[in-house]
Amino acid sequence: DTAVSQTPKYLVTQMGNDKSIKCEQNLGHDTMYWYKQDSKKFLKIMFSYNNKELIINETVPNRFSPKSPDKAHLNLHINSLELGDSAVYFCASSDLDTQYFGPGTRLTVL
Amino acid sequence: AQSVTQLGSHVSVSEGALVLLRCNYSSSVPPYLFWYVQYPNQGLQLLLKYTTGATLVKGINGFEAEFKKSETSFHLTKPSAHMSDAAEYFCAVSDQNFGNEKLTFGTGTRLTIIP
Repeated sequence: DTAVSQTPKYLVTQMGNDKSIKCEQNLGHDTMYWYKQDSKKFLKIMFSYNNKELIINETVPNRFSPKSPDKAHLNLHINSLELGDSAVYFCASSDLDTQYFGPGTRLTVL
Repeated sequence: AQSVTQLGSHVSVSEGALVLLRCNYSSSVPPYLFWYVQYPNQGLQLLLKYTTGATLVKGINGFEAEFKKSETSFHLTKPSAHMSDAAEYFCAVSDQNFGNEKLTFGTGTRLTIIP
């Protein structure tokens, strides 16, 4: 009965590849987010979508492209992966004032 | 712009002792404040939040925090530490743009419990 789920949990890939991370929420929320947690555990917002519309884009490289096919899903596609993209990526969704996070996807770029 | 400062990247307390994790914020609007906990290799779990109303808020697992506007602080406390409290704790502030909140996080505090 997971509220916010992400797949895959782990992703190991080579530099230059393209990969996607999927996120789904069953909370009925209108707003979803992607956050990046670096190796020092620092969390920073990347994107937010409200009812399938992009609301926040925090100076993320164009290689990152979020896609929201419906308000319950927000996927993250990354082109031409670089070593610096290695991180844990968290999806979240929010009601009026609180964000609920998924379990994270640990991306390792070799 | 908002910011959050968590004093002490690592805090160690003995089992049964008081836990105090410090958080100071900066916000140009009345803040919404949150504490999240992250257990090893897991996602973030909401511990507690302050939006409006009572400034002392209680959360899960016996934690509480007090919003002090004059001190721009939102410190997290627990009277008696348990081994299961060992985790990373994040304080965050929201910009209150309803439905489009952007959470700004502090750098986290790793809590270690000494048996």
